[in-house]
Amino acid sequence: ETGVTQSPTHLIKTRGQQVTLRCSSQSGHNTVSWYQQALGQGPQFIFQYYREEENGRGNFPPRFSGLQFPNYSSELNVNALELDDSALYLCASSLVGLAGGGRETQYFGPGTRLLVL
Amino acid sequence: DQQVKQNSPSLSVQEGRISILNCDYTNSMFDYFLWYKKYPAEGPTFLISISSIKDKNEDGRFTVFLNKSAKHLSLHIVPSQPGDSAVYFCAARSSGSARQLTFGSGTQLTVLP
Repeated sequence: ETGVTQSPTHLIKTRGQQVTLRCSSQSGHNTVSWYQQALGQGPQFIFQYYREEENGRGNFPPRFSGLQFPNYSSELNVNALELDDSALYLCASSLVGLAGGGRETQYFGPGTRLLVL
Repeated sequence: DQQVKQNSPSLSVQEGRISILNCDYTNSMFDYFLWYKKYPAEGPTFLISISSIKDKNEDGRFTVFLNKSAKHLSLHIVPSQPGDSAVYFCAARSSGSARQLTFGSGTQLTVLP
């Protein structure tokens, strides 16, 4: 069973640039959630993708956007990068049943460390 | 507005003794509570969870207790081992369609040999 993988591991960008982060979900999982973890804080929910559609969004501006592909992998795109976007970006996958509900434990990847200069 | 709080940023415990990590929450709509462990340069690793309809769940050395009236949960690790040294995050799952997790700020546990 393959776990959640993310790429790249580290990234340095400058203010105003755009970035794309990638996530491959754990085999058998159909849902991907993205979180931002700033230094010294817990992860904060950005959004979730289920069946290739956004299925919930946290308190993040529209310049944070995403995609989910038919193989359930996902991308997080951030436009017009700001210094405060510097953080660890975590992807988590889970299996959501057709009827919803259940434990649906989220399993996390190792994250992408983004530094905005 | 922090809906999930871990008020102790750090905890040191002697090897073999009990570690107790605490978490408080404010939102009554959370339906599941989870504990994750995080080592540096790794993503959070799922440890144990508890449904809001239970008050205790045990898995080996790890036990989670939920006190709904006090909106408080705790993770007990017995006996503590040096390999348990990590940051522990409490997370609460929303009952909505996204099942998003709301995390506390974490507690750094150090188990001293």
